[in-house]
Amino acid sequence: GAGVSQSPRYKVAKRGQDVALRCDPISGHVSLFWYQQALGQGPEFLTYFQNEAQLDKSGLPSDRFFAERPEGSVSTLKIQRTQQEDSAVYLCASSRGLAPENTQFFGPGTRLTVL
Amino acid sequence: AQSVTQLDSQVPVFEEAPVELRCNYSSSVSVYLFWYVQYPNQGLQLLLKYLSGSTLVKGINGFEAEFNKSQTSFHLRKPSVHISDTAEYFCAVMRGYGGATNKLIFGTGTLLAVQP
Repeated sequence: GAGVSQSPRYKVAKRGQDVALRCDPISGHVSLFWYQQALGQGPEFLTYFQNEAQLDKSGLPSDRFFAERPEGSVSTLKIQRTQQEDSAVYLCASSRGLAPENTQFFGPGTRLTVL
Repeated sequence: AQSVTQLDSQVPVFEEAPVELRCNYSSSVSVYLFWYVQYPNQGLQLLLKYLSGSTLVKGINGFEAEFNKSQTSFHLRKPSVHISDTAEYFCAVMRGYGGATNKLIFGTGTLLAVQP
């Protein structure tokens, strides 16, 4: 596609429910990032994939957060037993590769609200 | 550890006036620097970036930024703003050592509010 797409755009979950957020990166982009943006804050890094390999998950806030990219393209961020503090916008970004001259292109985000 | 400070949470400015959005960073190693813009209900869009070379970087939509290593700053400027520039602006750094992850570390953002 023309850009990074994410679905759903909005998700409301009751506390304790599991959610799955999808990211479709730009075709051919090997690097994929997930960021979390709380209200009034800048995005914060969650995890990174190079193709299907998850090379860095140091930003995942707890073991309730899990991300995968099984075929090296589409990625899913799963949050188990959601808590109110998980409410945020989850942003996905993709780039051609790791080098800093490769721009990270961001999707529109998924706004998660946990009641 | 790196961090980014955007001291101004909101900058009101009149249309056609100049504007400067401030960004300071802290890092014990060399960094790459970025400015992203976020329009309502849209993803972040890259305005400009500094990787190396000339310290004055020109970006899209008439924006430019100057890397100042001694002051650890990367302020964003535009000589004449338009209503359509109203958006949230984020400064970000990336550690310049080519490690396993080139993650971006963002500031808290500055809302540029252009008034007619």
